[in-house]
Amino acid sequence: DTGVSQDPRHKITKRGQNVTFRCDPISEHNRLYWYRQTLGQGPEFLTYFQNEAQLEKSRLLSDRFSAERPKGSFSTLEIQRTEQGDSAMYLCASSSTSTPTYEQYFGPGTRLTVT
Amino acid sequence: AQSVTQLGSHVSVSEGALVLLRCNYSSSVPPYLFWYVQYPNQGLQLLLKYTTGATLVKGINGFEAEFKKSETSFHLTKPSAHMSDAAEYFCAVSDLGDDKIIFGKGTRLHILP
Repeated sequence: DTGVSQDPRHKITKRGQNVTFRCDPISEHNRLYWYRQTLGQGPEFLTYFQNEAQLEKSRLLSDRFSAERPKGSFSTLEIQRTEQGDSAMYLCASSSTSTPTYEQYFGPGTRLTVT
Repeated sequence: AQSVTQLGSHVSVSEGALVLLRCNYSSSVPPYLFWYVQYPNQGLQLLLKYTTGATLVKGINGFEAEFKKSETSFHLTKPSAHMSDAAEYFCAVSDLGDDKIIFGKGTRLHILP
């Protein structure tokens, strides 16, 4: 068990560019979550998947954001036409429905800076 | 909607002193409660959690928290602070049957030598 991994760890992009982040969950976990954390705030829920199905999306997830988990394993989060307000840490977490408390394990995050 | 309030965005304690980080939640039904720690440039690590049963929960690194339903609180404590405890701490809640975690804004813990 290598834990949740995210790639890249840091991304600097210019306003208007598209970016894509990847998350690899713990291998036996069937649920995968995306959160966004801005400076001085706690993480905010964006969306989550159970296997390949996207079950819930937050109103924070504007139409410029799209997430996929095509084979029920890794997930990607794409932001189109980035804005400076998108600068944040994007955290991925995974869990297993066989764990009654749905305990989530977090990855190290991808820090996005939009210039 | 569920919410979490952490009192004090910054807390400073001397090494060896008691650590107390306060957390209150809003819910009419006891939820799942969590404390996470985040070290600089790292993800979140679960310190401890309350689901059901014993209201005093022990976690890693000597931390513990007590669920008090009457006060809707879940304060985090550690008897003796260590320099390595300096980090940001997040209280979080999840409703039964819900899958997302709602986090507080965090408390940065500073340890004074």
